[in-house]
Amino acid sequence: QTVVTQEPSFSVSPGGTVTLTCGLSSASVSTSYYPSWYQQTPGQAPRSLMFLTNTRSSGVPDRFSGSILGNKAALTITGAQADDESDYYCMLYMGSGIWVFGGGTRLTVL
Amino acid sequence: QVQLLESGGGVVQPGRSLRLSCAASGFSFSSYGMHWVRQAPGKGLEWVATISYDGNNRYYSDSVQGRFTISRDNSKNTLYLQMNSLRAEDTAVYYCAKDHGYTNLDYWGQGTLVTVSS
Repeated sequence: QTVVTQEPSFSVSPGGTVTLTCGLSSASVSTSYYPSWYQQTPGQAPRSLMFLTNTRSSGVPDRFSGSILGNKAALTITGAQADDESDYYCMLYMGSGIWVFGGGTRLTVL
Repeated sequence: QVQLLESGGGVVQPGRSLRLSCAASGFSFSSYGMHWVRQAPGKGLEWVATISYDGNNRYYSDSVQGRFTISRDNSKNTLYLQMNSLRAEDTAVYYCAKDHGYTNLDYWGQGTLVTVSS
């Protein structure tokens, strides 16, 4: 059973920088897992933020960036704003057509 | 602009069946893979199934394998999810999403709620 791990919650001050991570229970995350990130606010559908590790989706501001940090995928928000307060999900491609989401990180901006 | 509109959700008894639809517009539907993703109340996202652009390849999560069938009708620009032998744990909002080169789910519908309850 593949488990994709994310921090359950995180807090950042307005204008601050935060890095959310996405790991695997039994392996290191690399670009070969095609990490992607999604943002979801309550009651809304998810929105694509980042794909192929570090490619921003259309319309996503450049204060969002993606990378591999150590053995995890990472999403960094630089200069956090109030409307960044959302749930963030990573998704990894496990091969053979199978995708797995992480459990999500609830980001609070305060 | 890309639009995805799910329908077919509702309340269904355990063990019964339901078929969801996702009407697509604003892009060349027959050129892209499509996904179903669900979200149980108060829980995270769960990938359910993927179908290739031509319908020839289909993939499922372990939790729905053998019970759910993803399909598409490219002549109608519509994606489907046939759900059989429904269980209480299938209760969720079901989203359809457009695939972007098998690397990303770049557009999402607003979802349709399925409630499995007696």
